[in-house]
Amino acid sequence: GENVEQHPSTLSVQEGDSAVIKCTYSDSASNYFPWYKQELGKRPQLIIDIRSNVGEKKDQRIAVTLNKTAKHFSLHITETQPEDSAVYFCAPLGGSNYKLTFGKGTLLTVNP
Amino acid sequence: DAGVIQSPRHEVTEMGQEVTLRCKPISGHNSLFWYRQTMMRGLELLIYFNNNVPIDDSGMPEDRFSAKMPNASFSTLKIQPSEPRDSAVYFCASSGRDPLFSGGYTFGSGTRLTVV
Repeated sequence: GENVEQHPSTLSVQEGDSAVIKCTYSDSASNYFPWYKQELGKRPQLIIDIRSNVGEKKDQRIAVTLNKTAKHFSLHITETQPEDSAVYFCAPLGGSNYKLTFGKGTLLTVNP
Repeated sequence: DAGVIQSPRHEVTEMGQEVTLRCKPISGHNSLFWYRQTMMRGLELLIYFNNNVPIDDSGMPEDRFSAKMPNASFSTLKIQPSEPRDSAVYFCASSGRDPLFSGGYTFGSGTRLTVV
């Protein structure tokens, strides 16, 4: 099965700074790379995703970059705000099934 | 669409009792997933169904856990007998056949289970 690792496990930044979370995966056939955000006591929600034929995708302050050769993709958040504080999960889609494999999560804290 | 609907939102039960969690997926979604979330183990996939058929139940902890999907609009996860270590938040999620084209998974609000 897919092995997924996220780094760092916790990240603390000052409001306005940038944050980067990296996800590595093992299945070279993976073809879909989403990021989920889970606020305290809430459900995980999809915030951005990228497909294997694209290297980068941006949506306002968030972006995802993909390096298929190295088998990793990253979440970039610029101009962080306190409401960005949450746990972020990467969840690459395996190439042989329709199952997302979730990483352990990264707790991001944005200090005002 | 009301999204993925789970019930109950909270459940407190005594050890040894049977617990049934319920999920209604988004209409038109044909894949359904049950996850368990704890601080120690993160988000664990318990079982997933495609077109009402269980495809992968390798994450089900033991025989005390069972899941059914009798039709496209309803699924249950049952724990019998329940134990304190089953205390967790249980999420149901649904997606189209291929998450790549259906916007990934949509999660329900979860059921917080406490076994005392």
